[in-house]
Amino acid sequence: GIQVEQSPPDLILQEGANSTLRCNFSDSVNNLQWFHQNPWGQLINLFYIPSGTKQNGRLSATTVATERYSLLYISSSQTTDSGVYFCAVERDRGSTLGRLYFGRGTQLTVWP
Amino acid sequence: NAGVTQTPKFRVLKTGQSMTLLCAQDMNHEYMYWYRQDPGMGLRLIHYSVGEGTTAKGEVPDGYNVSRLKKQNFLLGLESAAPSQTSVYFCASSYYPQEAQPQHFGDGTRLSIL
Repeated sequence: GIQVEQSPPDLILQEGANSTLRCNFSDSVNNLQWFHQNPWGQLINLFYIPSGTKQNGRLSATTVATERYSLLYISSSQTTDSGVYFCAVERDRGSTLGRLYFGRGTQLTVWP
Repeated sequence: NAGVTQTPKFRVLKTGQSMTLLCAQDMNHEYMYWYRQDPGMGLRLIHYSVGEGTTAKGEVPDGYNVSRLKKQNFLLGLESAAPSQTSVYFCASSYYPQEAQPQHFGDGTRLSIL
């Protein structure tokens, strides 16, 4: 398979603060997705970003595929940003094509 | 457009009972997947299907069976439930991975085995 490591495992912020979440992976990928798991357990797809940079409101993500990492930026955090953020990747070759490998997630808590 | 729909949303079983989880997608996706999520963990792949009539094992397939008789449906079966199968189960679907498309997830099924 492919190893996916996320850091930090836990993050506590005051409302309004900015944060950066990191995802490192051990092999070349053709699919990288960031998810937010809300308190109800739903997986919300934030970004599909195998390379490059994307922005969606207060959130943005950058993937540097050649260096095998991705970053998720959250600016001006709100209490509704709380939850677990997962990075998931798919290898770009071999028998594991189509299979997503998940990191263990970053648990984000935003206090008012 | 419903996307990926999982039924049921919650279920409690006794050890040894059997049940089937249903996943339906209306996006004409070829690939479908079943994952499980345990506390403090990311999702792990149980089984997947690359098209109607096909299935393949993922990372943690033991104790589960699957079927893909129709393109839009992917069923996950537990023949004899065990407490270790208490988990949250997610279904996902996608177009051909070779086209580098994102996977779309259902809302999950919370399953407790007593």
